Amino acid sequence: NAGVTQTPKFRVLKTGQSMTLLCAQDMNHEYMYWYRQDPGMGLRLIHYSVGEGTTAKGEVPDGYNVSRLKKQNFLLGLESAAPSQTSVYFCASSSRVGQPQHFGDGTRLSIL
Amino acid sequence: GIQVEQSPPDLILQEGANSTLRCNFSDSVNNLQWFHQNPWGQLINLFYIPSGTKQNGRLSATTVATERYSLLYISSSQTTDSGVYFCAVADMRFGAGTRLTVKP
Repeated sequence: NAGVTQTPKFRVLKTGQSMTLLCAQDMNHEYMYWYRQDPGMGLRLIHYSVGEGTTAKGEVPDGYNVSRLKKQNFLLGLESAAPSQTSVYFCASSSRVGQPQHFGDGTRLSIL
Repeated sequence: GIQVEQSPPDLILQEGANSTLRCNFSDSVNNLQWFHQNPWGQLINLFYIPSGTKQNGRLSATTVATERYSLLYISSSQTTDSGVYFCAVADMRFGAGTRLTVKP
């Protein structure tokens, strides 16, 4: 049972480039989340989804877009990467609010 | 938005000792969770505890919602307990964490 899988694990981008981070879960969870974690800080919620075809903004949504076309996948896009988006990105899923969130192993993204 | 403060920021223990981690929040909440991030960066959900007390092995948590705080207790600590402990409240607002180091 894979749980939550994030790809890629590492990526280096140049300022202005675009990329998409993929999160896939095999637990049939309704809720999915994207977070970023900067050094010495807790996680900050970027966007989340409460079901297939839905997305909503979190605490720090600017500069990111998301899509949930399939229940098992949640994509995070950076249209024009900026150095301030250098961070570790975590995806999580849960069956519903109040149930444990299961996390992926993270994607370390550096933007030069 | 809601403010979340965790204390202490750092804690060093000898194996076998007990510890209490605290999470204060600035407004009433209906969602509070505790997480552990191990030294390799992996995140594990420990408790969903908007109120009351829960226990899971050597770990227990208590939330007093009316007084806006939650406590995480770790008993008989082990080196594998090392890492950062986060609380998150409401719409997943995280505190800055408590970094726990358990020495053998």
